[in-house]
Amino acid sequence: RKEVEQDPGPFNVPEGATVAFNCTYSNSASQSFFWYRQDCRKEPKLLMSVYSSGNEDGRFTAQLNRASQYISLLIRDSKLSDSATYLCVVNRDTGRRALTFGSGTRLQVQP
Amino acid sequence: NAGVTQTPKFRILKIGQSMTLQCTQDMNHNYMYWYRQDPGMGLKLIYYSVGAGITDKGEVPNGYNVSRSTTEDFPLRLELAAPSQTSVYFCASSPTGVSNQPQHFGDGTRLSIL
Repeated sequence: RKEVEQDPGPFNVPEGATVAFNCTYSNSASQSFFWYRQDCRKEPKLLMSVYSSGNEDGRFTAQLNRASQYISLLIRDSKLSDSATYLCVVNRDTGRRALTFGSGTRLQVQP
Repeated sequence: NAGVTQTPKFRILKIGQSMTLQCTQDMNHNYMYWYRQDPGMGLKLIYYSVGAGITDKGEVPNGYNVSRSTTEDFPLRLELAAPSQTSVYFCASSPTGVSNQPQHFGDGTRLSIL
């Protein structure tokens, strides 16, 4: 079983739609959680950290359920510019601060 | 502010050749990492360093070597290039301390082994 699992998609949605991505992680020792965005042939960039209480940044809402080892990302009012691959990322905080990446979920927002 | 800089951006190697991928950061971060990303996959950790003079293996270290003589630089060396090493390589850095600090990535090096 992969340590971080995501639905690869692609998710094809019209502009203005609401779309949700899910992610599960297998290591209960994981300490911190992130969503990164990766555009085609570019480096990953931090979208947002994910906190247990849930957090929102504009049109983006992230949720964490530690009991179920489940992370989600909700995008409201999708824009064409949201088209990208969204990577679910966890940090087991073993001292090396290295991140474990999911394979990503591809989003294509269509006009 | 340059952040994390990787060179070269693209390279084609023949099987058995060697090369060094360069990575430098100007943020005074102690932690540095090398990842590889194969098509349609997430990033996998090759090697990491928690400070100058200290390096350790990640998930997929075979066929690679690293060194960390300064805080700024973390080169990755391929000694005998193999087709399985065709990938996109990302260098990243992060500050020490708090575990929820994000990592800063370079633009990547696209490497093809033919």
